[in-house]
Parts: sequence; C-alpha cells; structure tokens
Amino acid sequence: GAVVSQHPSRVICKSGTSVKIECRSLDFQATTMFWYRQFPKQSLMLMATSNEGSKATYEQGVEKDKFLINHASLTLSTLTVTSAHPEDSSFYICSAPEAGVNYGYTFGSGTRLTVV
Amino acid sequence: KQEVTQIPAALSVPEGENLVLNCSFTDSAIYNLQWFRQDPGKGLTSLLLIQSSQREQTSGRLNASLDKSSGRSTLYIAASQPGDSATYLCAGPLDSNYQLIWGAGTKLIIKP
Repeated sequence: GAVVSQHPSRVICKSGTSVKIECRSLDFQATTMFWYRQFPKQSLMLMATSNEGSKATYEQGVEKDKFLINHASLTLSTLTVTSAHPEDSSFYICSAPEAGVNYGYTFGSGTRLTVV
Repeated sequence: KQEVTQIPAALSVPEGENLVLNCSFTDSAIYNLQWFRQDPGKGLTSLLLIQSSQREQTSGRLNASLDKSSGRSTLYIAASQPGDSATYLCAGPLDSNYQLIWGAGTKLIIKP
C-alpha cells in the first residue's frame, strides 16, 4: 500500500532554533499533504493543508510564519517550526490521500518534537 | 458543520471478548469513512476504509460497517487480544474536499 515516510521520528531542540520535519510519499504522488499536531491524550488537530506548487492553507489560530510549510514536489512536503518554544513541543503527523484509493489516507509515523 | 463522535471514549475488556466501537457523524454527505489505530507515541495505521457506496469492509478479525442514512459506523473486533490495545479513531472527508473530520477516539485496553 501507499507509504508516507516521515523524518525525524524524534527531535530535541533548544528554544529559538528551527526544526524541519519531512514527509515523503514513497510510492505515490501526494498532491496534497495534511499536517497535524497532537497533544498528549488529545485528538489530532489539523494545522494546515499543503498543495504541491501552491501556498499552504492554514487553519485558524495557526501561525503561518511560525509553521512554514513547503510542498515543492509531488513526493515531498516539509514543515519547519521556526524559533521553537517549549509550547511547540508536540507530536506532529503528516497525512496524504492515497492516490488511486479513492480518498483513503495514509499517515506518516509522526515526529515527537521536544523544545528545551 | 460535520461532527464525528466516538463512543465509548474508553473501554477495558478481558482478552477474548468480541467488542464494538461506535462512530457517529452529523452530515451524511461524508464521502467515505476510515478507521485507524494509534499506538501510544506512534503515528496512525489505517485499518479499514469504507467507501460511500459500500456497507462494510472486513480485514481479519476486524469488520467495519457504514450506514450513511443513520450517520453511523461501527468497528467490530472479534476475539480481542492484548495486542489490540490502542486508540481507535474514525474519520472521513466531506465530498467537497479532502479534509478529514475526526472523532476523538476510543481508547481500548484488552486485559490478558
């Protein structure tokens, strides 16, 4: 089946630094990628939707200048957390509709970000 | 506005029991419905996808049904095992776009 590879799986960074998270679709073209964050014991919260070759659409309350999303190719979407702060510590997950599976979705394995 | 509700929020049962997880949605325009499991600290694994035109899907000990008219989907787990312990999430996109609408999940614990 379709696979989305997400890296890194865990990252610890210092406050004020930036962290880049990558999601690659390995065997299909992901024209759309969804980025979620999840706090402990809570459900997924959609942050933004990226479309290849165009600007990402951010959900209300998500700072687009802080969470930079790039979707420059059909197989790669990146999320960069800029000037990270401890409150950005969370679990970030990407997801893409599986091409040819008629709107089914596949998810990356997630990135645990800890800002110290 | 589409809302997805999962009941129960948590469930703890002995190993071997058959169980049913429920997912209800307010807008019958849901295009399809997908069940996922999430293990602690992990990403999501797709379990079953039920297309709008389908009534159910089966995979091993799992069976998921979809009734759009009543706005319900159920996930049936037969002969539960400790390895089934996880949080189970249902979600589906509306016709108009790809965005998934999520339930809050059911945390399942299967006791050996």
